[in-house]
Amino acid sequence: EAQVTQNPRYLITVTGKKLTVTCSQNMNHEYMSWYRQDPGLGLRQIYYSMNVEVTDKGDVPEGYKVSRKEKRNFPLILESPSPNQTSLYFCASSSLALAGVGYEQYFGPGTRLTVT
Amino acid sequence: GESVGLHLPTLSVQEGDNSIINCAYSNSASDYFIWYKQESGKGPQFIIDIRSNMDKRQGQRVTVLLNKTVKHLSLQIAATQPGDSAVYFCADLSGGYQKVTFGTGTKLQVIP
Repeated sequence: EAQVTQNPRYLITVTGKKLTVTCSQNMNHEYMSWYRQDPGLGLRQIYYSMNVEVTDKGDVPEGYKVSRKEKRNFPLILESPSPNQTSLYFCASSSLALAGVGYEQYFGPGTRLTVT
Repeated sequence: GESVGLHLPTLSVQEGDNSIINCAYSNSASDYFIWYKQESGKGPQFIIDIRSNMDKRQGQRVTVLLNKTVKHLSLQIAATQPGDSAVYFCADLSGGYQKVTFGTGTKLQVIP
């Protein structure tokens, strides 16, 4: 089954304690992206990656890091989480070959992060 | 989850009626547009897309209209069903489909 998986689904942590949210897709997609979703603000793009070792900033990259060492994985790293990073996070992937034609971004189930 | 639906404009529609959800975008360089549906507790799900060289595209029970002059998108859902209740987002893509900008969303409530 084609899917995007994220772990953990729920996380409560304290300010300053480094954490990683993993994202994995099994569709051999080139493009992967991270979003955060906050009430009243919609989804905002944090980082995206066009392929292995190619990453770029989205609209709200501050306080986040990503890496793309393998095509299937795109972890989101919070080196020193702060309360304003409390949010619902989504990872997504898509095939660049279909971009603009039958483009479809597949989203993971989301990770709800609370930073106290 | 449910907190996503707070603070959003809400459209209430009687079951069987048609729904029209509107979206404005700001980037005149955007060349590709997508509508997503997000049910409570789930990630967004692709509904329909449209390229900037089109002004209308139809799918199964859904139609997207694009007006580039006023930077406006709309999603029409025919014969709205209770299963259509969700939050709907538009997204516009630019920079060779790399950057994705989402609208803030509209909550659709279908009244049985």
